[in-house]
Amino acid sequence: DVKVTQSSRYLVKRTGEKVFLECVQDMDHENMFWYRQDPGLGLRLIYFSYDVKMKEKGDIPEGYSVSREKKERFSLILESASTNQTSMYLCASSLGAGSHPETLFFGSGTQLSVL
Amino acid sequence: AQTVTQSQPEMSVQEAETVTLSCTYDTSESDYYLFWYKQPPSRQMILVIRQEAYKQQNATENRFSVNFQKAAKSFSLKISDSQLGDAAMYFCAANTGGFKTIFGAGTRLFVKA
Repeated sequence: DVKVTQSSRYLVKRTGEKVFLECVQDMDHENMFWYRQDPGLGLRLIYFSYDVKMKEKGDIPEGYSVSREKKERFSLILESASTNQTSMYLCASSLGAGSHPETLFFGSGTQLSVL
Repeated sequence: AQTVTQSQPEMSVQEAETVTLSCTYDTSESDYYLFWYKQPPSRQMILVIRQEAYKQQNATENRFSVNFQKAAKSFSLKISDSQLGDAAMYFCAANTGGFKTIFGAGTRLFVKA
């Protein structure tokens, strides 16, 4: 069964802290994504990666960075957490950069609160 | 710019009845893909159904079907014989062939026993 695992379900951090959100997929997928989910705004793409060590900005990359050192792992980093980064963070993966869009497989999300 | 609009923040349906969730989108591309994703209380989003824009026939998956009106840029989801397990947040999404899938704001569906 396809599995995308996010390391924390809930996280509480202080303003200014460096925060790491980890995501691991076991499906040998090429592509991995980080989305942010806010009420009334749906999901917005922060960053994505189509290969190891490759990364691309999404629609709202400000205040975030990512790391993909291994194919199965994609980390989201908040360099200095701020209260406006309080949100649900969803990791997703898809099979590969084929000629057509593919289904996204999601993790269960990390609800981050920045105090 | 590509946008996806879900105008119904919440919907409710009686168990065993039929409900339709609305979605409109805007794109200048001629080829694209449309999706409905379900996010249950467990929060893990799963694909419900997908539609390729070049296909005339509406996609169906068991009790789930879509009404795809390309000219009107409308992509509604119909759930027949609603079950308690259908209660969830439903997101409409669109992708024009790149890595970016654009999501709507979501519709929360309540199912009454």
